[in-house]
Amino acid sequence: QVQLVQSGAEVKKPGASVKVSCKASGYTFTSYGFTWVRQAPGQGLEWMGWISAYNGNTNYAQKLQGRVTMTTDTSTSTAYMELRSLRSDDTAVYYCARLLTASDAFDIWGQGTMVTVSS
Amino acid sequence: QSALTQPASVSGSPGQSITISCTGTSSDVGSYNLVSWYQQHPGKAPKLVIYGVTKRPSGVSNRFSGSKSGNTASLTISGLQAEDEADYYCCSYAGSSTSVVFGGGTKLTVL
Repeated sequence: QVQLVQSGAEVKKPGASVKVSCKASGYTFTSYGFTWVRQAPGQGLEWMGWISAYNGNTNYAQKLQGRVTMTTDTSTSTAYMELRSLRSDDTAVYYCARLLTASDAFDIWGQGTMVTVSS
Repeated sequence: QSALTQPASVSGSPGQSITISCTGTSSDVGSYNLVSWYQQHPGKAPKLVIYGVTKRPSGVSNRFSGSKSGNTASLTISGLQAEDEADYYCCSYAGSSTSVVFGGGTKLTVL
């Protein structure tokens, strides 16, 4: 079946970087894009950006420009999200989701990765 | 502050219908038929229930329906069931510079 499986929880110190992976299976990897969405504890959903698995084109949320990089590895059907210069307010669950390009909707979601930023 | 405005909470009794509104602007909801809705149970990943304003993914109950008028989109759930109790988020494309905006979320309580 179609699924996205994310890497495990991370604990980082302020100023460090984190890289979360999202392995896809059950469909043709390059036929869809990926989006990344985060959710701080007790808060709503925040869109971080998206990447085409076909050509690697990206579009990041203005708020995160310069700190976030999204990539894909077609050989392993895996998407990655790296966030640098971590701050305490980056503490959140990070989700990857498959992008329905024509509809700008996210139809398959990973299970989420908790990233905690604490000194 | 979220870009799209949703009521913080709504409630209804089993069997009733409820509607959740999602108000944006002429730069997002009003300009594109690219509104989607997500259901999220506590501790779980969001689930797509409506996309393209009115379309329902395969496997989603036909009790869920979507609509749009001007700058406001709506999600209606008919024949409320206990399992519908969850948080609901609307989402809209907002043009190439902003790209995607979410609503703040609405907590649905089934009484």
